[in-house]
Amino acid sequence: DTVLTQSPALAVSPGERVTISCRASESVSTGMHWYQQKPGQQPKLLIYGASNLESGVPARFSGSGSGTDFTLTIDPVEADDTATYFCQQSWNDPFTFGSGTKLEIK
Amino acid sequence: EVQLVESGGGLVQPGSPLKLSCAASGFTFSSNWLNWIRQAPGKGLEWVASINPDGSSTYYPDTVKGRFVVSKDNAKNTGYLQMNNLRSEDTAMYYCARRVVLQWHYFDYWGQGVMVTVSS
Repeated sequence: DTVLTQSPALAVSPGERVTISCRASESVSTGMHWYQQKPGQQPKLLIYGASNLESGVPARFSGSGSGTDFTLTIDPVEADDTATYFCQQSWNDPFTFGSGTKLEIK
Repeated sequence: EVQLVESGGGLVQPGSPLKLSCAASGFTFSSNWLNWIRQAPGKGLEWVASINPDGSSTYYPDTVKGRFVVSKDNAKNTGYLQMNNLRSEDTAMYYCARRVVLQWHYFDYWGQGVMVTVSS
């Protein structure tokens, strides 16, 4: 299975720029997607196809990458962005998720 | 408005069966894939089942293959996950999700989840 590796946690101040990384154990082309999960809620789709912004998601969120290295960027960060962010790949079977990066806003 | 509402969770003993339901509204259920994804307490997400729009094909990871069965009733706009021979490691929040199938496959709408606890 394709393993997706994410940093466990990050802490930033409001107004700053934050990048959350996801590294795949094998190429997933651009089949990488990003979700935001706030405490007690279901995941919410932010980015699909590595760099495409889901409808209704603020333009502060952006994604980039291809192959094995991907990045979710939030610029500028707001207090409401406190959440865990998961990457998910759909290029290789089975679909797999990263373990999540918990973002704390100081 | 797209809505997915899970039900049927609860506390069961190891080895027991349990059937989850996912009631869908706000979109053409019969034209969409239905998926189940779980999250163990404090852990990450794991895809556990998918079924194609007309219900003719199902897919599972090795961790649940042979124990879980996904189905959908397009007339009732409802999907199901039959879980058999449950184990403690199946304890998790179970989400149903709609899958977009275009150039990529991803999950654009998720239900609020239903908790399944397997314990004696």
